[in-house]
Amino acid sequence: AQSVAQPEDQVNVAEGNPLTVKCTYSVSGNPYLFWYVQYPNRGLQFLLKYITGDNLVKGSYGFEAEFNKSQTSFHLKKPSALVSDSALYFCAVRDIRGRDDYKLSFGAGTTVTVRA
Amino acid sequence: NAGVTQTPKFQVLKTGQSMTLQCAQDMNHNSMYWYRQDPGMGLRLIYYSASEGTTDKGEVPNGYNVSRLNKREFSLRLESAAPSQTSVYFCASSEARNRGRVNQPQHFGDGTRLSIL
Repeated sequence: AQSVAQPEDQVNVAEGNPLTVKCTYSVSGNPYLFWYVQYPNRGLQFLLKYITGDNLVKGSYGFEAEFNKSQTSFHLKKPSALVSDSALYFCAVRDIRGRDDYKLSFGAGTTVTVRA
Repeated sequence: NAGVTQTPKFQVLKTGQSMTLQCAQDMNHNSMYWYRQDPGMGLRLIYYSASEGTTDKGEVPNGYNVSRLNKREFSLRLESAAPSQTSVYFCASSEARNRGRVNQPQHFGDGTRLSIL
């Protein structure tokens, strides 16, 4: 079985401050990990993924995420948040040794609000 | 460069009515998916189609049927709508496993907002 937890329903930061959105995962094998962002009335947009290699992954719009195997975490980070980063963020995982390679498991989502 | 297109964008149904949600992608992806999004629950997979001609159940298939009409199109049907099916429905597509691209991200449409009274 595979699952994802996003422990914070909401994250509020001031513009220009660092932004962190937390994600922990559970898989029986090794994970493929993804972050998506959703703006109001839109579908999910891919931000970045971890497959293998460097633990620090860089993605779109200045976002990055750090894979930590010992803590089973994949936190999303941005050094300096913008008001336009306000959105709903989803972490997702797929177990690379799972029987069904097509299924992504999504977290419940974290609403990020960046105040000017 | 449309990506994944869903129709309609909004729909209101009465309990017991039937409806088909349409989805088409122009990225030549083999795999397509239907999700529902409910507050505080993330996205849950209803059905997916690994390739043209195949469909499989996801986490929450009850009350739904799907048709993979061709490589581009994947429709979701509610035969007898129930209030519990009020949700936002998303279609997605991705590269297929048999090309060694199981780690490729899924591309999403903008959703269909469905209310059942």
